[in-house]
Amino acid sequence: AQRVTQPEKLLSVFKGAPVELKCNYSYSGSPELFWYVQYSRQRLQLLLRHISRESIKGFTADLNKGETSFHLKKPFAQEEDSAMYYCALNNFNKFYFGSGTKLNVKP
Amino acid sequence: GAGVSQSPRYKVAKRGQDVALRCDPISGHVSLFWYQQALGQGPEFLTYFQNEAQLDKSGLPSDRFFAERPEGSVSTLKIQRTQQEDSAVYLCASSFSDRASSFGAGTRLSVL
Repeated sequence: AQRVTQPEKLLSVFKGAPVELKCNYSYSGSPELFWYVQYSRQRLQLLLRHISRESIKGFTADLNKGETSFHLKKPFAQEEDSAMYYCALNNFNKFYFGSGTKLNVKP
Repeated sequence: GAGVSQSPRYKVAKRGQDVALRCDPISGHVSLFWYQQALGQGPEFLTYFQNEAQLDKSGLPSDRFFAERPEGSVSTLKIQRTQQEDSAVYLCASSFSDRASSFGAGTRLSVL
């Protein structure tokens, strides 16, 4: 069965520190993975997807099929990165979301 | 419009009442999705439309939940005889072809 796990509910770091938000998945085929972000009082929005191998707002995520992980990383966190982050897996247009990690970047 | 629009933003219903939630997708987006997000959880898939065809409704929790998109644009999610466990944020999303979705702000349903 498809599942996305985000083990941390809350992650607090200081500004300028590296940040890694963990995401593990279970999927039998070739996964299509995404990171979505929700800033305070805003709607859910796409941050990045593994297919495009892009870096958005300094964030990157690498698909590791051996470890079935898609962790989100940023070398130097900024206060404006504080938000809820959701990892998601697309299975034939049915998205499975993790329960989310709240990132709090302290000044 | 600039994005996916959902109405109402907030809905309070008495247990047993029927409710209807509306979603206006981005113009031209053929795919439309409904999700249910309980407090402290990620969104959970309910149903998916491609144009007016409902291709997947496997996530609808019971036969009290019904969704339609008769003209391939606006969609309505209807919940009959609401129960307390239906209290959640209902999210609508639409996409064109790249499978990454644009989300609406959601409707927060509270069943008393």
